[in-house]
Amino acid sequence: GAVVSQHPSWVICKSGTSVKIECRSLDFQATTMFWYRQFPKQSLMLMATSNEGSKATYEQGVEKDKFLINHASLTLSTLTVTSAHPEDSSFYICSAKGTGTNEQFFGPGTRLTVL
Amino acid sequence: GDSVTQMEGPVTLSEEAFLTINCTYTATGYPSLFWYVQYPGEGLQLLLKATKADDKGSNKGFEATYRKETTSFHLEKGSVQVSDSAVYFCALTEGGKLIFGQGTELSVKP
Repeated sequence: GAVVSQHPSWVICKSGTSVKIECRSLDFQATTMFWYRQFPKQSLMLMATSNEGSKATYEQGVEKDKFLINHASLTLSTLTVTSAHPEDSSFYICSAKGTGTNEQFFGPGTRLTVL
Repeated sequence: GDSVTQMEGPVTLSEEAFLTINCTYTATGYPSLFWYVQYPGEGLQLLLKATKADDKGSNKGFEATYRKETTSFHLEKGSVQVSDSAVYFCALTEGGKLIFGQGTELSVKP
């Protein structure tokens, strides 16, 4: 149980285009989802926290107009990287948390490469 | 702010060797501490946790003790297996957010 999927697992796009990454909780209702970014050989950095039906809360230094997060249902959150640039290339990881628990369940990550 | 520091990898061991991955933390309060493991191609999985000082978390032969006096949460296993090859992340939580160390890659050779 407690499986989280991400789609796509990797994506390559041209500079200036937008990319959408999906995060789904497959067997539980995720009241809260988290989006992280991971650079090579570095730790996961929390980008934002989203609660179902509410606006996401972004961490300091994360551009909310650049990284659009939508959590419209209890099983799906999306991260859209708008007008992507090469510096946005990274590994993006989501996690999900259900009610009654503080444990986060992580997706396998999405590798974004912007050319 | 709060932070977590892990020993740098990669760590390469022979099967059945003893494993220690050091983790220290800085926190203003009394965080819960975690070890996560990421196997190749998979998401992070919770390996073990401890919620207060002197607690010992254990799972799958791994264990770690919450040491408040040394602000440490070192991961240990007495006899590693090839299947333990993965990246290990130490983390703390305060206010519902997870703060991760940079990860330590472990490679176990037969």
